Amino acid sequence: QIHMEQSGPRVVRPSQTLSLTCTISGEYVSTNSAAWSWVRQSPSRGLEWLGRTSFRSRWSVDYAPSVRGRITIKADRAKNLFSLQLDSMTPDDTAVYYCARAQQPPNETPFQYWGQGILVTVSS
Amino acid sequence: EIVLTQSPDTLSLSPGERVTLSCRASQTVARNFLAWYQQKRGQPPRLLIYGASSRATGVPGRFSAGGSGTDFSLTIDGLDPEDFAVYYCQQYDNSPLTFGGGTRVEIK
Repeated sequence: QIHMEQSGPRVVRPSQTLSLTCTISGEYVSTNSAAWSWVRQSPSRGLEWLGRTSFRSRWSVDYAPSVRGRITIKADRAKNLFSLQLDSMTPDDTAVYYCARAQQPPNETPFQYWGQGILVTVSS
Repeated sequence: EIVLTQSPDTLSLSPGERVTLSCRASQTVARNFLAWYQQKRGQPPRLLIYGASSRATGVPGRFSAGGSGTDFSLTIDGLDPEDFAVYYCQQYDNSPLTFGGGTRVEIK
């Protein structure tokens, strides 16, 4: 059974960088079958997909236009986790942040597994 | 970007009733890569339906879904008290992946 455990700060100052990690158990982050995403949820934006990383002979990333340019998603094979870095945080980035797993092609699926979510508040 | 519009925003119903939720896409969702999720307060979304009409593992048979192209629906046939929640559709055909705004199903 796949389990995803999130960690990171609950409060971030404006203009600072948010760093979150999602530690995976039950599967390798470098598996060819999974794509690892970050999704956030706020009253103003609803559920918003931020980006994903996946491995198939090499690592690839795909970012949402809404955050492209200030987002970085990376995988750490040694620690079996993937991470989110979001730069230049503003109060509009206040949200619950989730990590989530989907299946890659050819047996593509939506998000079957989710982390527990972390409420991140941007405030001075 | 595919925009998903869900309707209605809120439904007030009694246990045992049948309900149908709608999800309309701004462009065709190819391969029927449309999912439905249920979310309860304080929890992450739970996958109910994938491929527009296939129930995920462990999802009760009272949940059914269908549609194609730009129009999709989720039906709950006989609301159980545990079904009162918010429901979201999501397309995973095109990047960026997108979600609908949700429909809240509340107890009347």
